[in-house]
Amino acid sequence: DAGITQSPRHKVTETGTPVTLRCHQTENHRYMYWYRQDPGHGLRLIHYSYGVKDTDKGEVSDGYSVSRSKTEDFLLTLESATSSQTSVYFCAISEGGSRGTYEQYFGPGTRLTVT
Amino acid sequence: GENVEQHPSTLSVQEGDSAVIKCTYSDSASNYFPWYKQELGKGPQLIIDIRSNVGEKKDQRIAVTLNKTAKHFSLHITETQPEDSAVYFCAASIGGSQGNLIFGKGTKLSVKP
Repeated sequence: DAGITQSPRHKVTETGTPVTLRCHQTENHRYMYWYRQDPGHGLRLIHYSYGVKDTDKGEVSDGYSVSRSKTEDFLLTLESATSSQTSVYFCAISEGGSRGTYEQYFGPGTRLTVT
Repeated sequence: GENVEQHPSTLSVQEGDSAVIKCTYSDSASNYFPWYKQELGKGPQLIIDIRSNVGEKKDQRIAVTLNKTAKHFSLHITETQPEDSAVYFCAASIGGSQGNLIFGKGTKLSVKP
């Protein structure tokens, strides 16, 4: 998985509780992404980062926030989890840069269940 | 907004046959088109990609073709094997987005021995 780890790998939480998912990379890639995967929807971008402390919204950002204080770590936070946020969450990384290297490599995923 | 449509949603072939998965995209500024393979319980794995200045690219049993005029691209797998069974996703870059991708909804390929 291209030097990408996600933690936790599985989590069950209750509605209304805060949840933070972590993505850690050892590739020193500039770009990091958070996606969610749901049946019938494929992969949808939540937020992405193009550098330390530089982040932007994706297609389905409502209810999520992110932070990137170090190159290697990208955190996804659900401030108050809802059942609609039950999903599998994937982190991806990309070298980016002036060469336009768009290849994205994915982590193993975190399965989140909100009850 | 930008959209990628992928067909078929399921595909069943006999071992040794070829499989073709097709995608269309809406953003004329898209210039990068990757394909991913996802096995059960794992993250998507990049298997091949193509850029807009190339019409076809091959890697062993896998090939991708791109028709920019028609805004569609296809994945071709020849001599399929049971280990090719997985869900395949196409994606297209969103123009001017620093490499952000929009994904198709996936094709579940089953290769029967």
